[in-house]
Amino acid sequence: AQTVTQSQPEMSVQEAETVTLSCTYDTSESNYYLFWYKQPPSRQMILVIRQEAYKQQNATENRFSVNFQKAAKSFSLKISDSQLGDTAMYFCAFMRYNAGNMLTFGGGTRLMVKP
Amino acid sequence: SAVISQKPSRDICQRGTSLTIQCQVDSQVTMMFWYRQQPGQSLTLIATANQGSEATYESGFVIDKFPISRPNLTFSTLTVSNMSPEDSSIYLCSATQGSGTEAFFGQGTRLTVV
Repeated sequence: AQTVTQSQPEMSVQEAETVTLSCTYDTSESNYYLFWYKQPPSRQMILVIRQEAYKQQNATENRFSVNFQKAAKSFSLKISDSQLGDTAMYFCAFMRYNAGNMLTFGGGTRLMVKP
Repeated sequence: SAVISQKPSRDICQRGTSLTIQCQVDSQVTMMFWYRQQPGQSLTLIATANQGSEATYESGFVIDKFPISRPNLTFSTLTVSNMSPEDSSIYLCSATQGSGTEAFFGQGTRLTVV
């Protein structure tokens, strides 16, 4: 079974600064997908970024980028130029390749962006 | 993409009763799922809703407690049966359109059992 660990229960960052959220996972598989989801107080889960394990290039989406280290089984999220609207719970998630599309979530990191 | 409508958004129920949560997707999806989330905590998969057949439950969840239906490609229900205060949680519906693709989520149902 896969496990996903987020070692930072809470983090804070000043507006306009950069913050990195950590995620490690454990799997014996070589092909899989990794995701970061954001959950603001509205409860709506929003996809932030997606990474395919067979791609060496780190995914980026505007101010969001990942540092994917496959050998180390690490998948951290960097948020640049933090904005107040980035305040939310962030979940790292793992999806097996061709095995039903269900997600295994980490415990979450609560991010507070301060003005 | 897909938009998921989930209802009710919240409910307060008496112990011993049942609540059915509905999940409607605006486009055809391949897979649908039900997750449980304790407030401020992570999501745990309850089951995969299979179209036209019995759902596939994760360890710790059973059909008698959480019966699930999926009569077509865009609709699913989750029933929380014989509720107790321990069932107080947020229940989320999710769907995907292909292997490895983004999972879309409903806004969740916040259930309080008194």
